[in-house]
Amino acid sequence: QKEVEQDPGPLSVPEGAIVSLNCTYSNSAFQYFMWYRQYSRKGPDLLMYTYSSGNKEDGRFTAQVDKSSKYISLFIRDSQPSDSATYLCAPRNFGNEKLTFGTGTRLTIIP
Amino acid sequence: KAGVTQTPRYLIKTRGQQVTLSCSPISGHRSVSWYQQTPGQGLQFLFEYFSETQRNKGNFPGRFSGRQFSNSRSEMNVSTLELGDSALYLCASSRDRDSYEQYFGPGTRLTVT
Repeated sequence: QKEVEQDPGPLSVPEGAIVSLNCTYSNSAFQYFMWYRQYSRKGPDLLMYTYSSGNKEDGRFTAQVDKSSKYISLFIRDSQPSDSATYLCAPRNFGNEKLTFGTGTRLTIIP
Repeated sequence: KAGVTQTPRYLIKTRGQQVTLSCSPISGHRSVSWYQQTPGQGLQFLFEYFSETQRNKGNFPGRFSGRQFSNSRSEMNVSTLELGDSALYLCASSRDRDSYEQYFGPGTRLTVT
């Protein structure tokens, strides 16, 4: 079993829809939960991160972590065609630079 | 502020050859990590360097090595290339080892024939 599992998709939704992207993980030592967005032929860009359990909102994006069930979510409201990309979850331990990535979910927003 | 730069952007090599990839971190960043990205395995951690020392290593064979210079620039080397080494190699920098923000470069696309 991989440390981080993520549905690879692809996921296609109409513009304006709410998108839900999810990951599960097995390592209970993970404390920071990062979300990266990767456009085609580019390196990943840090979208947002949360520490421990709870929610964090940044504009149209909300990251949610439930450490009790080892479940990570990213919600995108009012989705736009420019949101079309691969989204990668990447938890990590404190003091450890290593990021453990999920396989990424390829998202397409249809105008 | 300039981002992470990686050279070369594209590379084609033959099995058995060796290759060196270069990464220049964001100015002021002292930690550099390397990742391999393939369609089958996704993004996998190779190693991390801080203050010219390897601090962490992923599960890759010894053919994969790296180093960091005093100006924080880093190189990674792959010897005796195999077809399975074809991948996008990504470098990420962060200010310190406990910085949770890692910034990635555009990657070097390596094709082994």
